[in-house]
Amino acid sequence: QSVLTQPPSVSGAPGQRVTISCTGSSSNIGAGSDVQWYQQLPGTAPKLLIYGNFNRPSGVPDRFSGSKSGTSASLAITGLQAEDEADYYCQSYDSSLSGLYVFGTGTKVTVL
Amino acid sequence: QVQLVQSGGEVKKPGASVKVSCKASGYTFKTYGMSWVRQAPGQGLEWMGWISAYNAKTNYAQKFQDRVTMTIDTSTSTAFMELRSLRSEDTAVYFCARADNFWSRHIFFDYWGQGTLVTVAS
Repeated sequence: QSVLTQPPSVSGAPGQRVTISCTGSSSNIGAGSDVQWYQQLPGTAPKLLIYGNFNRPSGVPDRFSGSKSGTSASLAITGLQAEDEADYYCQSYDSSLSGLYVFGTGTKVTVL
Repeated sequence: QVQLVQSGGEVKKPGASVKVSCKASGYTFKTYGMSWVRQAPGQGLEWMGWISAYNAKTNYAQKFQDRVTMTIDTSTSTAFMELRSLRSEDTAVYFCARADNFWSRHIFFDYWGQGTLVTVAS
């Protein structure tokens, strides 16, 4: 199992705001490691949404925002759209024996 | 535009090896590293390891340390991932993903290949 824990699912109506949490520990997020977020649409490869905790790559809408505090991070999606229905993963570096780079458990976002 | 094109799906028997390729284009290959990530059916993402295209230095996840080898061919801008002693639990889609060229705690994956399904079955 992953060392980064996410809720299995979140849902919201179009236009609403949803947040996804990513809970880590003192060996990863709490140690100052950056957090990234990826979006995976069904049957496709993951796409980078947020890097360095809160930075958006070119082309990613500003509806997506990232934050980090202590041993946790969050991804917020404002103005939820039908096309945002996907799986979302956080990712960070872990200094424990469990592995080096790790992904979160993943969250399915459903647009009602 | 950056593109990572992976080799086609494979079916292997338990105990065999598989080698997946990832051909890069749209950027200077030697200026970025490559990571490999896998996803078992219906499961999450699992990081396997990283290789620098600058000096071929590697770092592998402890889980795969004894069974995986990552290599690069700068003449063809291609990265390779070989996994040995396959078992049924290795059935997954394997992705290559562009990463930083130098190892740090801040690496992220900005472009991904389309994925290669490796099926391990007797």
